[in-house]
Amino acid sequence: IAGITQAPTSQILAAGRRMTLRCTQDMRHNAMYWYRQDLGLGLRLIHYSNTAGTTGKGEVPDGYSVSRANTDDFPLTLASAVPSQTSVYFCASSDSGASHYGYTFGSGTRLTVV
Amino acid sequence: GIQVEQSPPDLILQEGANSTLRCNFSDSVNNLQWFHQNPWGQLINLFYIPSGTKQNGRLSATTVATERYSLLYISSSQTTDSGVYFCAVGRETSGSRLTFGEGTQLTVNP
Repeated sequence: IAGITQAPTSQILAAGRRMTLRCTQDMRHNAMYWYRQDLGLGLRLIHYSNTAGTTGKGEVPDGYSVSRANTDDFPLTLASAVPSQTSVYFCASSDSGASHYGYTFGSGTRLTVV
Repeated sequence: GIQVEQSPPDLILQEGANSTLRCNFSDSVNNLQWFHQNPWGQLINLFYIPSGTKQNGRLSATTVATERYSLLYISSSQTTDSGVYFCAVGRETSGSRLTFGEGTQLTVNP
């Protein structure tokens, strides 16, 4: 793999079910992020991690949790999915120790909660 | 939080035309990036430009941080330039986290 890999590509999920979206990077970037993209609202930050072992809440964290056990992986979990969580989810990473903080994005996961 | 406004929201061009996209932001920033989202949904980083001017082929960007705006120039547009262009900014207190604008939808017709 090169860059960021997200899985699954798409998913239809029954309301109330638990779901984990996977994100793996191979660039050794220290910072990782989860954004959701909804029509007309741009991208909004859900959770972030500045380095392995730390996480923080973004703009829209309710109903989501994350973990960062190592540098490469940053899974996003929906504990009990609701229809308002229907969205396209993007994982991103950046190297804040580099000369710039340019983001690299994964290809996204399209989630439909019914 | 910081507000990011992009204009115009939609833009339709004929192939070969030039265009300017604008990004206004409400507070001082130390991080500003432009992204292109292609029609298949892939987000590509175009520029990291918290200040100054950069050029990459037919694209260039200028950020005037003191006046809180950035401009993205697309010259000799091609149909492959179609998609949504996002501006995203971050403040020093936000670390490397970015706040995105709602984007400019660009359509380039042959």
